[in-house]
Amino acid sequence: AQSVTQLGSHVSVSEGALVLLRCNYSSSVPPYLFWYVQYPNQGLQLLLKYTTGATLVKGINGFEAEFKKSETSFHLTKPSAHMSDAAEYFCAVSGAGFQKLVFGTGTRLLVSP
Amino acid sequence: EAGVAQSPRYKIIEKRQSVAFWCNPISGHATLYWYQQILGQGPKLLIQFQNNGVVDDSQLPKDRFSAERLKGVDSTLKIQPAKLEDSAVYLCASSSDGSGNTIYFGEGSWLTVV
Repeated sequence: AQSVTQLGSHVSVSEGALVLLRCNYSSSVPPYLFWYVQYPNQGLQLLLKYTTGATLVKGINGFEAEFKKSETSFHLTKPSAHMSDAAEYFCAVSGAGFQKLVFGTGTRLLVSP
Repeated sequence: EAGVAQSPRYKIIEKRQSVAFWCNPISGHATLYWYQQILGQGPKLLIQFQNNGVVDDSQLPKDRFSAERLKGVDSTLKIQPAKLEDSAVYLCASSSDGSGNTIYFGEGSWLTVV
C-alpha cells in the first residue's frame, strides 16, 4: 500500500522568498513520486517526477524536488516565489509498472507582494 | 497535441437524478483514469482502464457509479442515483502506458448535487 502525507494545508510566503512544500511518502515498493499543480478551476499539471536515477529532479517554472529515501521525503522547493506560483500543490506516489497515483491532500501556496 | 477533453465542464443536478460525464483521452494513450476530487481533498482514483479493460475499480461505488470504455478510446462515467456527497470534480486522465509515464489530466467536470 502507498500513501502520501503533505505537511501544512496552507503555506504563505512573500514574493521573492523561498518556497518549501513538504511531502513524505510510504510505499512497500520502490516509489515513483510526482508533484502536480492545480490552478483555480483547472485540472492538474505535472511539475516534476522522480522515477529512477538522479535524486534531484528539476521541473517546470523553476521548481525542483529531492528524493531522500532515508527520510522517505520528496519536498518541493523554489528559490524565489512569484505571484503566479499561488496555487494548490499535490504530491503523489505510485509504484513502478503500474500507474495508480495516490495523492496527498494538497498544500495551498499563498504568495503575498 | 490536443489534451484530455472532458464534458460537460459544469453540471448541477438534484439528488437521486442521474448524470454522465464524457472523456476523450490524448490520442494513442492506452490507459485512462477517472478520479474524484472532493473540495479540500486530493484526487481519489475511481477506475483505471487499460485499453477497454478495467485494471482497477476497487474504489468505485458500484451501486451507483459505472464507467465504460467500449472501443478503448473515449470513456463515459455515470452516476445514478446521485447523492449529495457526490458533489465533486471528476477528473479524467490518460497516459501512454505504465512504468512511470506521465499522466495527463483534463480540466475536470464539476458536479454539484442539490
